Amino acid sequence: KNQVEQSPQSLIILEGKNCTLQCNYTVSPFSNLRWYKQDTGRGPVSLTIMTFSENTKSNGRYTATLDADTKQSSLHITASQLSDSASYICVVFSLGSGAGSYQLTFGKGTKLSVIP
Amino acid sequence: KAGVTQTPRYLIKTRGQQVTLSCSPISGHRSVSWYQQTPGQGLQFLFEYFSETQRNKGNFPGRFSGRQFSNSRSEMNVSTLELGDSALYLCASSLAEPAYNEQFFGPGTRLTVL
Repeated sequence: KNQVEQSPQSLIILEGKNCTLQCNYTVSPFSNLRWYKQDTGRGPVSLTIMTFSENTKSNGRYTATLDADTKQSSLHITASQLSDSASYICVVFSLGSGAGSYQLTFGKGTKLSVIP
Repeated sequence: KAGVTQTPRYLIKTRGQQVTLSCSPISGHRSVSWYQQTPGQGLQFLFEYFSETQRNKGNFPGRFSGRQFSNSRSEMNVSTLELGDSALYLCASSLAEPAYNEQFFGPGTRLTVL
């Protein structure tokens, strides 16, 4: 069964500090992995999309890594800001056998709180 | 360019009623996907429409249905509402296949079933 596990469930950090969120997956066959940021009461916003051949991808202060061998991904946030307080969701796409067919497996998310 | 819009933003219904939610994708996007988000289950995929055809479907009962119009706008319908249908319903659009393209989410419709 395809699964995506995120850790920690929640995290509190001081403004200006760095943090790393984890995403472990057992999804096959793997197509790509996405990290989303979701502010409370709003829709998710895409941070990064990583395919099998990509190890690192950055989007401003957000850097995602992917280890396809161990099936692990991390999202590193540098110099956190109050606006980084949100839920971060990891999603893995796998392709199905039919044309245009795919499956999405979602993690439950990590709730990050950045405090002054 | 305007983002994905969803209407209504909030909705209160009672058990047994039916509801229709609307989604307007970003101009030029042909794929629209629907998701349900609850505190217990997190995000779950409902279905995806591309060029007016349902192309992928999640594991939800037949009470959940949708359609897409020629202008790519999409509607989602839930019949015979149950308390467990209370959730944030999100719509996302992409240029083409979501598996290969970035998805852009709308703000969601918060449905409360009493």
